[in-house]
Amino acid sequence: LAKTTQPISMDSYEGQEVNITCSHNNIATNDYITWYQQFPSQGPRFIIQGYKTKVTNEVASLFIPADRKSSTLSLPRVSLSDTAVYYCLVGRNTGGFKTIFGAGTRLFVKA
Amino acid sequence: GAVVSQHPSWVICKSGTSVKIECRSLDFQATTMFWYRQFPKQSLMLMATSNEGSKATYEQGVEKDKFLINHASLTLSTLTVTSAHPEDSSFYICSAREGNDSPLHFGNGTRLTVT
Repeated sequence: LAKTTQPISMDSYEGQEVNITCSHNNIATNDYITWYQQFPSQGPRFIIQGYKTKVTNEVASLFIPADRKSSTLSLPRVSLSDTAVYYCLVGRNTGGFKTIFGAGTRLFVKA
Repeated sequence: GAVVSQHPSWVICKSGTSVKIECRSLDFQATTMFWYRQFPKQSLMLMATSNEGSKATYEQGVEKDKFLINHASLTLSTLTVTSAHPEDSSFYICSAREGNDSPLHFGNGTRLTVT
C-alpha cells in the first residue's frame, strides 16, 4: 500500500486559491489518486480522483506530474465553509481494495 | 451518485450492552464494504473488510469477537459492538465502492457513546 505524506495543517483566507500537495513516492502502476474532504462528525466526501496529468471538476483541480510520485489538490477561491480535513489516498479502485488513510491536512480558512 | 447510508447517526448505550450499526448502499450493490473507526482529532482507522456472504476480514489488533460484522445482502452490512465499554466510544464510518473503477463512498458515520 502506497504511503502518503501531506502537510499537517494549512491556513488560508477567503477568496484565495489553496494548493495542498501530497507525496506518494511508492505509488503503484494501477493506483489512482483520490482526495476526500471531511467535516467534523461527518463521513469523508469524495472531491476528485485522477491517474495522471490534470483533472478538473466543479469544485477542484488535481495536478499529477509525469512520475506520479506526488499530486496537488487545488481549491480555487476558498470560503469559510472549506475549512475541513483533506485526505489524499492512493490505491486501486477495485471493489475489495483496502484504503488506508493518512493523517490528512487540516485547512483553516479565515475571513 | 452512489449513496451510502448509516443508521443510527448517534447512539448512547450503557457499558456491557451491545449496539448494532447498519450500513446500506442505497442505489448500488456492494459485495465489499469497509468499516472504519475515528477518534477525535485523528484520522480514520480501517477496522475490517465486510464481504457479502462470507466472513469479514479484520485488521490487526481489531477483536473480531467484539466487533461482529454481518454482510448478509449486497446492500447491507452491520457492525455490532458487543459488550461495549467506554473505550469503544468513537465515530464509526462505513464505506463501499459502486463498482470497479469507482472511488469509495462513505456513510455519514455513527457516533457511539458508551456510558
